[in-house]
Amino acid sequence: NAGVTQTPKFQVLKTGQSMTLQCAQDMNHEYMSWYRQDPGMGLRLIHYSVGAGITDQGEVPNGYNVSRSTTEDFPLRLLSAAPSQTSVYFCASSYRTSGSRSTGELFFGEGSRLTVL
Amino acid sequence: GQQLNQSPQSMFIQEGEDVSMNCTSSSIFNTWLWYKQDPGEGPVLLIALYKAGELTSNGRLTAQFGITRKDSFLNISASIPSDVGIYFCAGRHSGGSNYKLTFGKGTLLTVNP
Repeated sequence: NAGVTQTPKFQVLKTGQSMTLQCAQDMNHEYMSWYRQDPGMGLRLIHYSVGAGITDQGEVPNGYNVSRSTTEDFPLRLLSAAPSQTSVYFCASSYRTSGSRSTGELFFGEGSRLTVL
Repeated sequence: GQQLNQSPQSMFIQEGEDVSMNCTSSSIFNTWLWYKQDPGEGPVLLIALYKAGELTSNGRLTAQFGITRKDSFLNISASIPSDVGIYFCAGRHSGGSNYKLTFGKGTLLTVNP
């Protein structure tokens, strides 16, 4: 089972460059999200989506764009990379919860390590 | 936004020792989750808790959903070297979105053989 697949695993950018981090899941999960992980900061939510065509901002959305054209894919775009965006990025997905029937389980990808010089 | 305080930030223990860590929230959660992240990997779910007072085990791991619904605890018994990693708590608020999780900042566990 592939689960959540992120590409690339490693990327080095220069300030001002743009790039897209890809995320795909094969579990038919409605909910997908992007987190960034920085030392001492834990996991911070960037953007999330509860279904195709629906996206919303998380805790730290500035500098990032997302779209959700299919259930399977949720790319994260950096339009003009900055050194402050050096981080490890995780994509995660889960079933959509409903009322008390919450499974709660987020499945994470292996991460994409981005360095902005 | 939601605030989750996870402690301790790091632990250095000897193999065989028991470990305890906890998370407290400024507001009520209706779900508590505990994740482990191995070096270079993404977090993996260890235990999920859905009811206040619930006590759940997964092998040597035991987690509890606090009765106030504002805290949760994770215990690891008889630690082994492969327990090394970062442990995260995560909670889901009882109101608003059913999807978003708030994560603690993690507890870095080091086990000396």
